[in-house]
Amino acid sequence: EAAVTQSPRNKVAVTGGKVTLSCNQTNNHNNMYWYRQDTGHGLRLIHYSYGAGSTEKGDIPDGYKASRPSQENFSLILELATPSQTSVYFCASGLRHNQAPLFGEGTRLSVL
Amino acid sequence: GQQVQQSPTSLVLQEGENAELQCNFSTSLNSMQWFYQRPGGSLISVFYNPSGTKQSGRLTSTTVIKERRSSLHISSSQITDSGTYLCAMESNYQLIWGSGTKLIIKP
Repeated sequence: EAAVTQSPRNKVAVTGGKVTLSCNQTNNHNNMYWYRQDTGHGLRLIHYSYGAGSTEKGDIPDGYKASRPSQENFSLILELATPSQTSVYFCASGLRHNQAPLFGEGTRLSVL
Repeated sequence: GQQVQQSPTSLVLQEGENAELQCNFSTSLNSMQWFYQRPGGSLISVFYNPSGTKQSGRLTSTTVIKERRSSLHISSSQITDSGTYLCAMESNYQLIWGSGTKLIIKP
C-alpha cells in the first residue's frame, strides 16, 4: 500500500538548535515535497526534489535545507531553529507534478 | 498577492444540509485539485479536476477554467464530513494552495 511516513510526529526544539525532519515513501515516486502549514496561509512549499540527489527551492526556502539521499528518503533540516519555524510540516510524494501527491501525517514542531 | 482565494473561511451546517465551497484563482492554471484534511491530520486527495464537472458519491467538483473558479459541493452533509477542505491549482508545474475552508457539521 502506498505510504508516506514522517518522523518524528512531534518535536520540541530550542532556539538555535538543529532539527532534522525525516520522510520515507514506499511509492517509488520521483517527486517529493516539504510543506509547512500555518493558520491563514494554507500550505507553503519549502523544498522539493525530482529524484535522488536533487533538491530544489520552493517558495519559502530561507532557513531550511533539504537532502534526498535516495528515492525513498527526503529530509528537511533546520540548522539554526527559530521560533518563527514553529509550524506543522508535511511531506508528500508524487509521480508527476499534475498528479495529486500523497501526504504524510505531518510533524508538529515547536521551537521555544 | 494571493493567487488562490478560498471561501468561505469557515462554514457551520446542520447534518443533512448541503455545503458549497469556492475557489477563485487570479492566474492561468492547468487544473484544480481538492483535498480533505481531517482535524489534526493528513491531507487526502478528493478530486483532480482539470475542467468541467466530476462527481464522487455525495461530492461534486466543478471547475470552469475561463472563469477562473472551482467549486466543491457536498450534498446531504454528514458529521464525518467535518474537517478542512483545501483547493490547489496547478500552474507551471507547481501546486498553489488556498487557505482552506473549515467545515463543521453539527448533529
